[in-house]
Amino acid sequence: GQNIDQPTEMTATEGAIVQINCTYQTSGFNGLFWYQQHAGEAPTFLSYNVLDGLEEKGRFSSFLSRSKGYSYLLLKELQMKDSASYLCAAMDSNYQLIWGAGTKLIIKP
Amino acid sequence: GAVVSQHPSRVICKSGTSVKIECRSLDFQATTMFWYRQFPKQSLMLMATSNEGSKATYEQGVEKDKFLINHASLTLSTLTVTSAHPEDSSFYICSARDKGDTEAFFGQGTRLTVV
Repeated sequence: GQNIDQPTEMTATEGAIVQINCTYQTSGFNGLFWYQQHAGEAPTFLSYNVLDGLEEKGRFSSFLSRSKGYSYLLLKELQMKDSASYLCAAMDSNYQLIWGAGTKLIIKP
Repeated sequence: GAVVSQHPSRVICKSGTSVKIECRSLDFQATTMFWYRQFPKQSLMLMATSNEGSKATYEQGVEKDKFLINHASLTLSTLTVTSAHPEDSSFYICSARDKGDTEAFFGQGTRLTVV
């Protein structure tokens, strides 16, 4: 079956670094997405990885290992506004997104 | 980035009535439209996928006669919740993707409350 696993909740301190892990199992693979979702709002796109390696975009970076079925989202210099849920989604062979349950990130001062 | 406009953002309706939610792509062709439902503190649940001009493909467990999806043009899709009940109260989100693209863009979401 198809499955996405990510931690339910994480806590970090303002100014610090946090890594949110995601493992996936899909029928075929056409890329891994990370989205940020604030409470009561729709998800917003953060990153897309289809090749192995690290993609850096400002304070956010995303890593993919296809052989391990593993990705992580790295957030640096955490700000209070980064408190949100972070959704991992893998695209299968039919170009459908398989969604994780999301990781609620709590930032403390 | 591409913009998807979803309307209304919030709606309260009486039990037994129908509610229509619109999703428009403003600067690209929404060849494929996805409709999701999200309950509090849960992930997105795909309800159906529709391609322009074709009937929507519903996920298992989603009643097609209750959740009517129309995707008659390349820029507009609608979801109608018929005979709404309180258990239909949820956050409904659309996302749209152009042909050949992998990224789908989300609408702002609609908070439906059935009283």
